[in-house]
Amino acid sequence: NAGVTQTPKFQVLKTGQSMTLQCAQDMNHEYMSWYRQDPGMGLRLIHYSVGAGITDQGEVPNGYNVSRSTTEDFPLRLLSAAPSQTSVYFCASHRGGSLGVYGYTFGSGTRLTVV
Amino acid sequence: GEDVEQSLFLSVREGDSSVINCTYTDSSSTYLYWYKQEPGAGLQLLTYIFSNMDMKQDQRLTVLLNKKDKHLSLRIADTQTGDSAIYFCAENSGGSNYKLTFGKGTLLTVNP
Repeated sequence: NAGVTQTPKFQVLKTGQSMTLQCAQDMNHEYMSWYRQDPGMGLRLIHYSVGAGITDQGEVPNGYNVSRSTTEDFPLRLLSAAPSQTSVYFCASHRGGSLGVYGYTFGSGTRLTVV
Repeated sequence: GEDVEQSLFLSVREGDSSVINCTYTDSSSTYLYWYKQEPGAGLQLLTYIFSNMDMKQDQRLTVLLNKKDKHLSLRIADTQTGDSAIYFCAENSGGSNYKLTFGKGTLLTVNP
């Protein structure tokens, strides 16, 4: 049971390049989210999805796109990378309904540097 | 808007108790969580407390909730070097089913 798998673990991009951060979960969870973690800022919600075909913006969505064509996958696309997007990105999932006693299950993160 | 505050650093000696504090502003939160992040790793759920509870104990962990003061604490008894990590307080903003609001995290350092 792999849980939430993120790839790649590390990535260096040049300003203006695009890329997709991959996230997959094998727990049949309905809800998936992307957070970014910056020093001294905690975690901030970028985008989330409450089921296949349904996505919405979080608090810091600018510069990112998402789609959810399957229950398992929730890729995050950087359209034109900027140094301000240098961060650690976490994908998370939960089974749906109330966050309840299990909260979110997090992946191990992707460390992105934009130069 | 919702906000979650934590002190950034805590240093304790091995064997002592650690207490990590958190304050939050959203009185409509239904669940509050403590997550642990070890270096280079993702966040691991440590424990939770439902908003109508005052205390929850789970082995070495004790969570206290003062809903009137919107204050949450995590006590780790007999702290070990393996407890060294960043601890995040989080709450489901507005009783949300999908969004967690996190504090900035408290770096716990356990000295031998």
